[in-house]
Amino acid sequence: DGGITQSPKYLFRKEGQNVTLSCEQNLNHDAMYWYRQDPGQGLRLIYYSQIVNDFQKGDIAEGYSVSREKKESFPLTVTSAQKNPTAFYLCASQGWNTGELFFGEGSRLTVL
Amino acid sequence: RKEVEQDPGPFNVPEGATVAFNCTYSNSASQSFFWYRQDCRKEPKLLMSVYSSGNEDGRFTAQLNRASQYISLLIRDSKLSDSATYLCVVNNNNDMRFGAGTRLTVKP
Repeated sequence: DGGITQSPKYLFRKEGQNVTLSCEQNLNHDAMYWYRQDPGQGLRLIYYSQIVNDFQKGDIAEGYSVSREKKESFPLTVTSAQKNPTAFYLCASQGWNTGELFFGEGSRLTVL
Repeated sequence: RKEVEQDPGPFNVPEGATVAFNCTYSNSASQSFFWYRQDCRKEPKLLMSVYSSGNEDGRFTAQLNRASQYISLLIRDSKLSDSATYLCVVNNNNDMRFGAGTRLTVKP
């Protein structure tokens, strides 16, 4: 089936540790996105990538890093510099015809 | 000013009611617009795109007013299953920005 796969679904980490969230798509989409959602809040853009080997910062990029070495993959690293990393992280890719965003099921990160 | 603003609600309505949400955006150069629905602890899913001429899908009607920079969503004959958070999305050169969402609860 075509779609977006995020892993892990749930992740716990200790303060001071880096963690990488995986996002893979087999929709052949060029553009991919990472958003963060806090309880009762909307989605805030962390990073987005319109093409392989290129990405742009969103509103809250500090403490995060990304790479886009392959079209299918857009991993997000939450570094120890991110002061409040506990959140729901959503990855999406964008259809080139309609502009619609297709989301993965999300990754819930809890920092202990 | 936020790029995309929505009334957070909550909107609590009885079954069968008609409810409308508005969303304003700050970038007049924005090219395309969408409404997404998000259920609790789930990912957002596309409800409908918003076209300049307005568009309808069953009980749902979306409209765009470029002059005043807002989009709207009208839900007629509300069902219990319409209870969710509704997010508006504005696209500016593939920079996709979300509103904070409007929470709707439809009650029996």
